[in-house]
Amino acid sequence: EAQVTQNPRYLITVTGKKLTVTCSQNMNHEYMSWYRQDPGLGLRQIYYSMNVEVTDKGDVPEGYKVSRKEKRNFPLILESPSPNQTSLYFCASRLTGEVGELFFGEGSRLTVL
Amino acid sequence: DQQVKQNSPSLSVQEGRISILNCDYTNSMFDYFLWYKKYPAEGPTFLISISSIKDKNEDGRFTVFLNKSAKHLSLHIVPSQPGDSAVYFCAASVGGDYQLIWGAGTKLIIKP
Repeated sequence: EAQVTQNPRYLITVTGKKLTVTCSQNMNHEYMSWYRQDPGLGLRQIYYSMNVEVTDKGDVPEGYKVSRKEKRNFPLILESPSPNQTSLYFCASRLTGEVGELFFGEGSRLTVL
Repeated sequence: DQQVKQNSPSLSVQEGRISILNCDYTNSMFDYFLWYKKYPAEGPTFLISISSIKDKNEDGRFTVFLNKSAKHLSLHIVPSQPGDSAVYFCAASVGGDYQLIWGAGTKLIIKP
C-alpha cells in the first residue's frame, strides 16, 4: 500500500529536549516536505527536499532541521524544542514535476511543555 | 499577510443540498489551485485541482470554479453527503514552483 508514515503520532516533551519525528514514504517520490498546522493558519511549510541531499527552507524553518540521506526518509529534527513548536506536523511527498497532489502522512501531534 | 484566504471557518449544509466552499487569493501570479479534504486524525488528501487556463473543472460530485478577475475560487459539492463532513483546504501555487500556499481551512458539516 502506497503511504507516508510518520512517527511518533503523539508526543509530549519538555522544553530543550531534542526530538526527531521520522517520515518514510514507499512511493519512490523525489519531493518530500514538512508542514505544521496551527489553528487559523492552515498549513505552513517548514522544509522541503527535491531529492537526496537537497533540502531547502520553507516559510517557517526556525528551530527545525532536516536531512535527506535516503530517498524514502525525511526526518524532522527539533534540536531544542520550545512551547511555540507545539503543533500538528505533517510530512508529505510527491513526484517532482507534478505540482500539487501531495500525499500526506497521518500527522504527528507534538506538545512541548 | 495571508495570500490564500478561506473566510468561513465553518459551514453547515443539509444532506442532499449543495455545499459551496469559497477561497480568495491575492497573488495574481498563482496559476494552479487545489482543494484538499481532511478528516480528523488523518492527513489531508487531494480532492480536485484547476489550472488558471480553465474556469471550471469537474470530478463527479465535485466542481471547482475559478474567477481570475475576482481572484476567487469555489468548490461545489452536489449533492452533499454525510461523508463529506471534513475540513477543506484550498491551496495555490505559481507554475513550476513547488511551494503550495494554503488557506486556513473550512470545516464542512453535513446535517442529516
